Amino acid sequence: QQQVKQSPQSLIVQKGGISIINCAYENTAFDYFPWYQQFPGKGPALLIAIRPDVSEKKEGRFTISFNKSAKQFSLHIMDSQPGDSATYFCAAAPWSGYNKLIFGAGTRLAVHP
Amino acid sequence: ETGVTQSPTHLIKTRGQQVTLRCSSQSGHNTVSWYQQALGQGPQFIFQYYREEENGRGNFPPRFSGLQFPNYSSELNVNALELDDSALYLCASSLDLAGTGELFFGEGSRLTVL
Repeated sequence: QQQVKQSPQSLIVQKGGISIINCAYENTAFDYFPWYQQFPGKGPALLIAIRPDVSEKKEGRFTISFNKSAKQFSLHIMDSQPGDSATYFCAAAPWSGYNKLIFGAGTRLAVHP
Repeated sequence: ETGVTQSPTHLIKTRGQQVTLRCSSQSGHNTVSWYQQALGQGPQFIFQYYREEENGRGNFPPRFSGLQFPNYSSELNVNALELDDSALYLCASSLDLAGTGELFFGEGSRLTVL
């Protein structure tokens, strides 16, 4: 019940394409869903986050889509750029314990020029 | 404003030894969380400290322990090291328990246990 399942494990996209990463969770107590971006040798950094009162949140080229009934959420990166090449982690937690995130296993994204 | 800093960046220990990892939280942040990131995996929550007290713990044995100091810096101690403890240990700070939701991670301490 504590798991967050993330797919795909790796993703190759051409420059300008759309990158889509999916996550699913089981615990209905989760109501905070952030995405973190990690470059090699660096710690994860918050990219975008959503709470279940909305079904979609957009920040620039990054969009989270959230389906509460299916217990799934996804990250869409529009107009993908080589600089977006990194590992992306979805995560979930109850908002009251947002510091205690349950992370997915990660998706390694490579954007080819 | 300084970010989260961790030390040491790399270290090698042998099985059975003990290790202490250190973290200075971002300026103004009073909550520190520690995560273990095995190679190719997502970070796993170890525990959290708020105002010098442990405030939540993940599925890690008691040989993983921690401290938070009055200046909100923190230590992670691991006793009786095992080979599976080899990982990147990440410290994350945040502003209070009811903050913005954002964790600020350091670059981590990479521990290798031989």
